[in-house]
Amino acid sequence: GAGVSQSPSNKVTEKGKDVELRCDPISGHTALYWYRQSLGQGLEFLIYFQGNSAPDKSGLPSDRFSAERTGGSVSTLTIQRTQQEDSAVYLCASSSQGTNYGYTFGSGTRLTVV
Amino acid sequence: GQQLNQSPQSMFIQEGEDVSMNCTSSSIFNTWLWYKQEPGEGPVLLIALYKAGELTSNGRLTAQFGITRKDSFLNISASIPSDVGIYFCAGPQSNYQLIWGAGTKLIIKP
Repeated sequence: GAGVSQSPSNKVTEKGKDVELRCDPISGHTALYWYRQSLGQGLEFLIYFQGNSAPDKSGLPSDRFSAERTGGSVSTLTIQRTQQEDSAVYLCASSSQGTNYGYTFGSGTRLTVV
Repeated sequence: GQQLNQSPQSMFIQEGEDVSMNCTSSSIFNTWLWYKQEPGEGPVLLIALYKAGELTSNGRLTAQFGITRKDSFLNISASIPSDVGIYFCAGPQSNYQLIWGAGTKLIIKP
């Protein structure tokens, strides 16, 4: 597509439920990134995909977080047994070469855990 | 680990005023990036700096890569209402991961 598309744009979920966040990167972009942005904070790196593989998962906050990417395209970030501290905006970005300054961000998914 | 300290946290300015914000790091960076984020959107790259001492402009925006490689500055001249948003500095922590400042929120006084 023309830009990075994320869905849903907003998600309210009850504590303890699982959620799936979707990212559809720019067509042809091989690198895909997930970041988390808490209120009044900068972005926190979660995970990076090159193609379908994730060379660096070190930013995932706990084993309740997982992500996958299929077909070198769409990625899903899954949070199991959500907690209130998971409330944040989850941003996805893609780039054509995996460089730091070629990112294009989506508009994010605002997750609220109640 | 590396940290980016960005200041000020927020700014209230009159339309037409010049704006300055800065970012400092506890360690050396080889690249400095400045992004702007508007409500409900992801950050958008404004300026990228690659060399110590470099001064780069993008319209009314000018950014400088500090000579020590531990700081960077962003200036906006003659601010207009559409300049409102949150400005972030960022630097590479690896060849694919960025580390970000906490942002400077720019608010135009009515």
